Amino acid sequence: SQQGEEDPQALSIQEGENATMNCSYKTSINNLQWYRQNSGRGLVHLILIRSNEREKHSGRLRVTLDTSKKSSSLLITASRAADTASYFCATDAGSGGSNYKLTFGKGTLLTVNP
Amino acid sequence: GAGVSQTPSNKVTEKGKYVELRCDPISGHTALYWYRQSLGQGPEFLIYFQGTGAADDSGLPNDRFFAVRPEGSVSTLKIQRTERGDSAVYLCASRQTVTGELFFGEGSRLTVL
Repeated sequence: SQQGEEDPQALSIQEGENATMNCSYKTSINNLQWYRQNSGRGLVHLILIRSNEREKHSGRLRVTLDTSKKSSSLLITASRAADTASYFCATDAGSGGSNYKLTFGKGTLLTVNP
Repeated sequence: GAGVSQTPSNKVTEKGKYVELRCDPISGHTALYWYRQSLGQGPEFLIYFQGTGAADDSGLPNDRFFAVRPEGSVSTLKIQRTERGDSAVYLCASRQTVTGELFFGEGSRLTVL
């Protein structure tokens, strides 16, 4: 089963614009992670945010977490054509603290047009 | 090696055959995961090893699927009596102990005809 649900399913923007992707989940979590996947390739870890954190930055990425709404957002600023990929949120909801059994959503396909 | 290595990258087999997929994790990573990804879907959890033992195999769909990690490093996912519905990309990941980050291999694409 997939706990996370990304929204939108697909997003098309122009280079230089910002891209925002959202993720909703159902159960309490230890942490939430965002991954990127280029077509036909493996997943690459982008950022991890713990349940007691509200916001985190990494380069052009900004992630927020609202545990009361069970939702997270990923913002990519000043997008580039190379950012074109699928983006997945993944939740760690293991009991007894983090065991990093990640449950992934279906992903958002981001297309950045040059 | 520098990253997680999976072999074969592509496997085409006939319905009913036996298949083995191999994962060589990053050296020193004690936790290893297998996921399955169908077209247009996110990765689906199969099994997780901590060292040599399977800490959580709740994602294995049925008893045709089995995975081992005898020496706490390389892992093999074994699928018996393959069915067309087993066709997917099988992803392996190992976990960096300190940060919790998962490092994924490129996957093994299984096609069952």
